[in-house]
Amino acid sequence: KQEVTQIPAALSVPEGENLVLNCSFTDSAIYNLQWFRQDPGKGLTSLLLIQSSQREQTSGRLNASLDKSSGRSTLYIAASQPGDSATYLCADTGNQFYFGTGTSLTVIP
Amino acid sequence: DAGVIQSPRHEVTEMGQEVTLRCKPISGHNSLFWYRQTMMRGLELLIYFNNNVPIDDSGMPEDRFSAKMPNASFSTLKIQPSEPRDSAVYFCASSFVSSGANVLTFGAGSRLTVL
Repeated sequence: KQEVTQIPAALSVPEGENLVLNCSFTDSAIYNLQWFRQDPGKGLTSLLLIQSSQREQTSGRLNASLDKSSGRSTLYIAASQPGDSATYLCADTGNQFYFGTGTSLTVIP
Repeated sequence: DAGVIQSPRHEVTEMGQEVTLRCKPISGHNSLFWYRQTMMRGLELLIYFNNNVPIDDSGMPEDRFSAKMPNASFSTLKIQPSEPRDSAVYFCASSFVSSGANVLTFGAGSRLTVL
């Protein structure tokens, strides 16, 4: 069974900082890497998808990369804002569909 | 499309009662997933279907849990009898799993409280 680890579990940063969230898989045969955001009491919203033939994806201030050789992905958030405060989760949604426990991000105004 | 639709949004029941959660996936999607989320265990995959057929149910915790997908537009997750430790948020998600981009889309969740 795929084990997904997300580091750090929680992160608190002042507004404006750039930050990196990490995700690693025990099985590096990742087919489809997806990052999600979850606000308290809400469902999961898809942020970025890296397909099997790709290495990274960008959307606005977000950039996600995937290193298949090591089974690791990073989510880079530039110029963080208080509205970015949420829990961020990653998963291989093309193959095994297991999620990490997430990183809880707080951006302090 | 209205997205993945789950019902009920909230359910409070007493221990021993039967609970049925419902999900309508996005039209055209060929795969459907049931997840359970708790503070202690995070987001757990319970079962997923491809073309209405259960592919992996290894995450179903006990025989008290069962899931069906009678057609491409409807699925149920049933707990009978329910126990307090089943209290959680249950999410349904759907996707078109192919050789291309497989975007998993979640419903808003059903919050279950078993007293």
